[in-house]
Amino acid sequence: EAQVTQNPRYLITVTGKKLTVTCSQNMNHEYMSWYRQDPGLGLRQIYYSMNVEVTDKGDVPEGYKVSRKEKRNFPLILESPSPNQTSLYFCASSPGTGLANEQFFGPGTRLTVL
Amino acid sequence: AQTVTQSQPEMSVQEAETVTLSCTYDTSESNYYLFWYKQPPSRQMILVIRQEAYKQQNATENRFSVNFQKAAKSFSLKISDSQLGDTAMYFCALTNFGNEKLTFGTGTRLTIIP
Repeated sequence: EAQVTQNPRYLITVTGKKLTVTCSQNMNHEYMSWYRQDPGLGLRQIYYSMNVEVTDKGDVPEGYKVSRKEKRNFPLILESPSPNQTSLYFCASSPGTGLANEQFFGPGTRLTVL
Repeated sequence: AQTVTQSQPEMSVQEAETVTLSCTYDTSESNYYLFWYKQPPSRQMILVIRQEAYKQQNATENRFSVNFQKAAKSFSLKISDSQLGDTAMYFCALTNFGNEKLTFGTGTRLTIIP
């Protein structure tokens, strides 16, 4: 089944404890992206990647890192999480570099930072 | 900069009625794409409909159709014969061709009343 997977789905952690949220797609998509969703703010783009080893900042990159060593994987890294990073996170992928293509979203990761 | 505005935080309608969700946007580009995404309680993001700015004809997908007014920068979603399964958060989104950045509105929570 073609899909985007994220792990974990739920995570509660404490301030300052490094964490990684994994994202993997099995559709051979070029483009991948991370978003965070907050009440009243919609979805905001954190980072995106147009291809392997190519990443760029979105609207809210502060406090996050990403890497794209393989085409299928695009992990989101929080080196020192803070409570303001408590949010719902989505990974998405699409076939090409033009966003006329549909973006396929993962199921979301609910992160709580205490 | 590109922006998307959804001015209706919440709406409700009786089952089988028609409902229209509003979206306005701003972009300096002439070639862009607009989307409506649905997020049911499961949190999964689902593409409902897509409109290419250079196409004058309004997009339709079964019970879903859009009213695209390019000069007014308006992109409303009409849901006909609404069903209980249409209950969800709906997001309007915009991307400029070649920009790789998808900008979302803040969403409209739609409730279909039995």
